[in-house]
Amino acid sequence: DARVTQTPRHKVTEMGQEVTMRCQPILGHNTVFWYRQTMMQGLELLAYFRNRAPLDDSGMPKDRFSAEMPDATLATLKIQPSEPRDSAVYFCASGLVLGGALDEQFFGPGTRLTVL
Amino acid sequence: AQKVTQAQTEISVVEKEDVTLDCVYETRDTTYYLFWYKQPPSGELVFLIRRNSFDEQNEISGRYSWNFQKSTSSFNFTITASQVVDSAVYFCALSEAGGSEKLVFGKGTKLTVNP
Repeated sequence: DARVTQTPRHKVTEMGQEVTMRCQPILGHNTVFWYRQTMMQGLELLAYFRNRAPLDDSGMPKDRFSAEMPDATLATLKIQPSEPRDSAVYFCASGLVLGGALDEQFFGPGTRLTVL
Repeated sequence: AQKVTQAQTEISVVEKEDVTLDCVYETRDTTYYLFWYKQPPSGELVFLIRRNSFDEQNEISGRYSWNFQKSTSSFNFTITASQVVDSAVYFCALSEAGGSEKLVFGKGTKLTVNP
């Protein structure tokens, strides 16, 4: 049963600290998405990758957020320095795009981030 | 630009009632894909269905059914004989083909099924 895994599941940190969230996509999927979910904004797309190349990071605050895919089995989202307004649940999703169409997309369990 | 509207913010029903969650979308593409996800209180997002714009046949999966109508740009979701375990937030989402395959989500509808 293929699943998207995310670590850590919960993170509490203090303002100004660096936070790194990790995601292992489903083997065989070629697209990885990072989302943020808050009560106020709902689900927001931060960035996504196709075959490890960044395609769109327009939803991400560039000054403090960065997303990378060092290899096909790992995607990372970093916040440096973190701020209280970054408190949210961060979801990674793994998807398969075939012929220009999103064939399927599955979400990881999320990382609940609290910045004090 | 693509947009998904779920006008019902919250719905409350009593167990065994049928309930329909509305989803209206906007897109200029002729090829697109519609999705529904369920987010139970535990927080994970569970994939329910994907439907492409060329397939307007209704789909049924157990107590779940989906009604896709291009004429009204709607992709509604019905739960028959609702159960307490159906309580969740349900999201409708849209993906366009050919270059911008990212999902655009609606704001979600919170369904509460009371015993």
